[in-house]
Amino acid sequence: AQTVTQSQPEMSVQEAETVTLSCTYDTSENNYYLFWYKQPPSRQMILVIRQEAYKQQNATENRFSVNFQKAAKSFSLKISDSQLGDTAMYFCAFMKHVASGGSNYKLTFGKGTLLTVNP
Amino acid sequence: SQTIHQWPATLVQPVGSPLSLECTVEGTSNPNLYWYRQAAGRGLQLLFYSVGIGQISSEVPQNLSASRPQDRQFILSSKKLLLSDSGFYLCAWKKSGNTIYFGEGSWLTVV
Repeated sequence: AQTVTQSQPEMSVQEAETVTLSCTYDTSENNYYLFWYKQPPSRQMILVIRQEAYKQQNATENRFSVNFQKAAKSFSLKISDSQLGDTAMYFCAFMKHVASGGSNYKLTFGKGTLLTVNP
Repeated sequence: SQTIHQWPATLVQPVGSPLSLECTVEGTSNPNLYWYRQAAGRGLQLLFYSVGIGQISSEVPQNLSASRPQDRQFILSSKKLLLSDSGFYLCAWKKSGNTIYFGEGSWLTVV
């Protein structure tokens, strides 16, 4: 079974600074997908960024970028120029294809990192 | 564009009472549908997923059940709620591409 580990339960950063959230995962699969989701106080789960395992280039979305190290099974999220609105719980998630009588995919989540951006 | 809605947003139910949470996806057809639960201070746990009408797969044995009576409707139910069923429930969907999108969530408090 796949596992996702986020070793930092809580982190804080000053506004406009850069912060990196860590994530490691364990899998025997070669083809899979990795995600970072953000859950603000409203509790809605919002996709931040996505990485396909077959792509060597790290994904980037505006101020958000990842450092994907496939051999090390590491997938960290870097937030640049942190903003107060970035305060949220951040979840790392792993998805593999599950073929069980039909096409399907399942997400496995880490336990999350609570990020606080201070003014 | 595709949207997902779930309701009710908040629910307070006594122990032993029934439960029905509904989720509807708009703007797509034959999506994969999911129910996740997030207990206080913990990550998300997959409860059920469905690849089509009437097709339900359960991930963990529990007091809950799921049904998919229509292509874009996914229902989470219980006949008798337990205190341990309290939590935040999220419906999610996937169509083409490899990304799962989530609804707004439903808070369930069993008292």
